[in-house]
Amino acid sequence: KAGVTQTPRYLIKTRGQQVTLSCSPISGHRSVSWYQQTPGQGLQFLFEYFSETQRNKGNFPGRFSGRQFSNSRSEMNVSTLELGDSALYLCASSLATWSGRAELNEQFFGPGTRLTVL
Amino acid sequence: GEDVEQSLFLSVREGDSSVINCTYTDSSSTYLYWYKQEPGAGLQLLTYIFSNMDMKQDQRLTVLLNKKDKHLSLRIADTQTGDSAIYFCAEKVVTGGGNKLTFGTGTQLKVEL
Repeated sequence: KAGVTQTPRYLIKTRGQQVTLSCSPISGHRSVSWYQQTPGQGLQFLFEYFSETQRNKGNFPGRFSGRQFSNSRSEMNVSTLELGDSALYLCASSLATWSGRAELNEQFFGPGTRLTVL
Repeated sequence: GEDVEQSLFLSVREGDSSVINCTYTDSSSTYLYWYKQEPGAGLQLLTYIFSNMDMKQDQRLTVLLNKKDKHLSLRIADTQTGDSAIYFCAEKVVTGGGNKLTFGTGTQLKVEL
């Protein structure tokens, strides 16, 4: 079974541009969550999508948005990039959104997209 | 509120046991997780424990949970050089549903020969 894939793996953009990152979950998984990892702030939750609906959102400005398609693939978009948006963006998939059963909620992470903003 | 703390570094000799500690503040945590991150890679789930358990053992890994003190630890027996990585604890708090995880700051484990 293929794992979570993220494209592209590396990206360089300049301030003010926008960027779209893609995540393909494990086959059969319907929940996709996004996290931002930086040296200063660590791992922070961005948002979660399940069945094409945003289920939960972290404390990020509106420049960060996402969506999920009917095949469970997800994209996140960052508009008007700032230097501080440079980070590793990780995507995680799970079978279901919160259900109280650990085996359904176990999150499998992709390798991440390394975004550098110049 | 949600806040998860870990010590930043741990250095051990190969063959010794490693103990990585984590403290959290939200008493409504349901599951607590340990993830491993190797350089240039995503996160790998090592193990998890339900909040009503005290201990869980999985091969070389032992997780201890002290819910009263909100303290979680991960013990790695017979630590190997391949265990060198950053280890994150994470908690899932069921507020408003969803799979949101709150991660600790991460502990860099260095295994020396």
